[in-house]
Amino acid sequence: DAKTTQPTSMDCAEGRAANLPCNHSTISGNEYVYWYRQIHSQGPQYIIHGLKNNETNEMASLIITEDRKSSTLILPHATLRDTAVYYCIVRSNSGTYKYIFGTGTRLKVLA
Amino acid sequence: AAGVIQSPRHLIKEKRETATLKCYPIPRHDTVYWYQQGPGQDPQFLISFYEKMQSDKGSIPDRFSAQQFSDYHSELNMSSLELGDSALYFCASSSPRVYEQFFGPGTRLTVL
Repeated sequence: DAKTTQPTSMDCAEGRAANLPCNHSTISGNEYVYWYRQIHSQGPQYIIHGLKNNETNEMASLIITEDRKSSTLILPHATLRDTAVYYCIVRSNSGTYKYIFGTGTRLKVLA
Repeated sequence: AAGVIQSPRHLIKEKRETATLKCYPIPRHDTVYWYQQGPGQDPQFLISFYEKMQSDKGSIPDRFSAQQFSDYHSELNMSSLELGDSALYFCASSSPRVYEQFFGPGTRLTVL
């Protein structure tokens, strides 16, 4: 599985958009980009995933660059409850399905 | 909606004791994954099962074993516990048509 690189930490003002970047320059053609978050030792929570097209759901938007070497998770209106560690994971949807977690980005939403 | 259930939620053991952690996947999910998260660390994959067969193996110590039963629940058995085994243990489940994994609340194991 491809390795991912994320900033260690980020701050965001409440009500503003939080843009969390992820580099995955060695991603291969059949690998998807998944985003999870972990709020204070709770189980990681699925946010969104995509292959090459931009994706949006009720939680967030995922923007994947055309060359697929990087992506950005966007939380459109961050709230204090969005404070968490955000993990970007690259994984194939065939073969082994395990997740390899990197160090993630610790997002702090400020009042 | 039903979620992944893990039991117990908290467990305290002495060194060299054994522990069994249980995971009940979301109904109709046939794949179970186990992850270990040490203090201040990121989750690490241990082992996974698909249709009751081991499908992948990660950094799981030889002192640990796991299995998936006919009702798809899974158990992680840990023997000769060491202080370093103190961690959060997460179980996740998935189904063939839903690629994302859904995580349980975790079991916090403390080894004294």
